[in-house]
Amino acid sequence: EVQLVESGGGLAQPGGSLSLSCAASGFTFSGNAMSWIRQAPGKGLEWVSVIAGRTGTRYYADFVAGRFTISRDNSRNTLYLHINNLRVDDTAVYYCATDTPLGFGSGWQRNHFDHWGQGTLVTVSS
Amino acid sequence: QSALTQPASVSGSPGQSITISCTGTISDVGAYDAVSWYQQHPGKAPKLIIYDVNHRPSGVSDRFSGSKSGNTASLTISGLQADDEADYHCSSYRSSSSRLFGGGTKLTVL
Repeated sequence: EVQLVESGGGLAQPGGSLSLSCAASGFTFSGNAMSWIRQAPGKGLEWVSVIAGRTGTRYYADFVAGRFTISRDNSRNTLYLHINNLRVDDTAVYYCATDTPLGFGSGWQRNHFDHWGQGTLVTVSS
Repeated sequence: QSALTQPASVSGSPGQSITISCTGTISDVGAYDAVSWYQQHPGKAPKLIIYDVNHRPSGVSDRFSGSKSGNTASLTISGLQADDEADYHCSSYRSSSSRLFGGGTKLTVL
């Protein structure tokens, strides 16, 4: 059974930094791309970043603007997200998800988020 | 403002069918069949229920179906059940690896 467990959320101050982790089990972690997706209180989902399984190639949403860094440790089956220069509007539940080629398009078009963790809440406030 | 447009809420009675729309542009929904739908119960993580417009992952009820016309994708739930009451989010591929989501639709089963 696929399990994803996020940790590292909490209360942080504007301008500060925070590191989130996602511990994975139940599948071949190194072979799967992984994404971070966030959800502000009462709002919709927002894709943040993806990292490929073996190559470690990374992509970010436009709003990230260099403040977020996604990484992974395949030896520890763990995904990370480091956020610098935190802003109040970064307040959200942050989910990690498997980003799996299920479909019939080419490249990343084939990918969808087929397993999700329970999320970790990041609150940015002074 | 979310990149994809969904109605804020829809409702239906048990046994009825409802449809939730998801409108994008010619650069995302209109350009690719890479549309997916996620069900999210309160306080829970989202669950993939439709991918590639109209494909269901293993274990998802056939009461859930998807379609697309032009820049608008749709999710239809037939034979509404109490447990279908949840938020529903659409997503589309846009470019490179970028994915967009809608603002989510709250389904109320009357």
